[in-house]
Amino acid sequence: DVKVTQSSRYLVKRTGEKVFLECVQDMDHENMFWYRQDPGLGLRLIYFSYDVKMKEKGDIPEGYSVSREKKERFSLILESASTNQTSMYLCASSFTGTFGSPLHFGNGTRLTVT
Amino acid sequence: RKEVEQDPGPFNVPEGATVAFNCTYSNSASQSFFWYRQDCRKEPKLLMSVYSSGNEDGRFTAQLNRASQYISLLIRDSKLSDSATYLCVVSPWGATGANNLFFGTGTRLTVIP
Repeated sequence: DVKVTQSSRYLVKRTGEKVFLECVQDMDHENMFWYRQDPGLGLRLIYFSYDVKMKEKGDIPEGYSVSREKKERFSLILESASTNQTSMYLCASSFTGTFGSPLHFGNGTRLTVT
Repeated sequence: RKEVEQDPGPFNVPEGATVAFNCTYSNSASQSFFWYRQDCRKEPKLLMSVYSSGNEDGRFTAQLNRASQYISLLIRDSKLSDSATYLCVVSPWGATGANNLFFGTGTRLTVIP
């Protein structure tokens, strides 16, 4: 079974803090993703990576950056947290195949910025 | 028009009922389709993948209608534990280019005793 592990289940941070969200997957997947999920807006892609040290912007990258130094680990960084970044953050991974490969999600980090 | 649209519900059905949700997509080149289940405040979990006309797993059946560009999820003999939000995900080009996945906003199902 694929396991995607996010380092924190709940986080509370103050406005202006730098925040690190960590994600590790154990299935040697090439692709890793960061999404945020907000009521009524569904899942929105922040950043993704299809290989080590590679990253691509998703739909809402502003205020975020990412790092992928190792294949199994993908970090999301909030450079200066703001209250509008209060959300559920979901990491996911998938392999690259001929047909679309499903995403496997971590259990999420619920971030509150005060 | 959104890439993927779902009726948000809520669908409230009695235990034992059969319920179906539809998910419409706008890109006719879409090749891969997925249904996820998401419980309240939890992560989405893969329920079913569909690459051809449909798929079946126990009480759950997914059917793809390419002509009308929708995919349906049918749940037979509903259980209380089926209460969740069901997300439809569509991949237009088959291969998992990471930004080629489009999510619906989900359909909420509540199964009532």
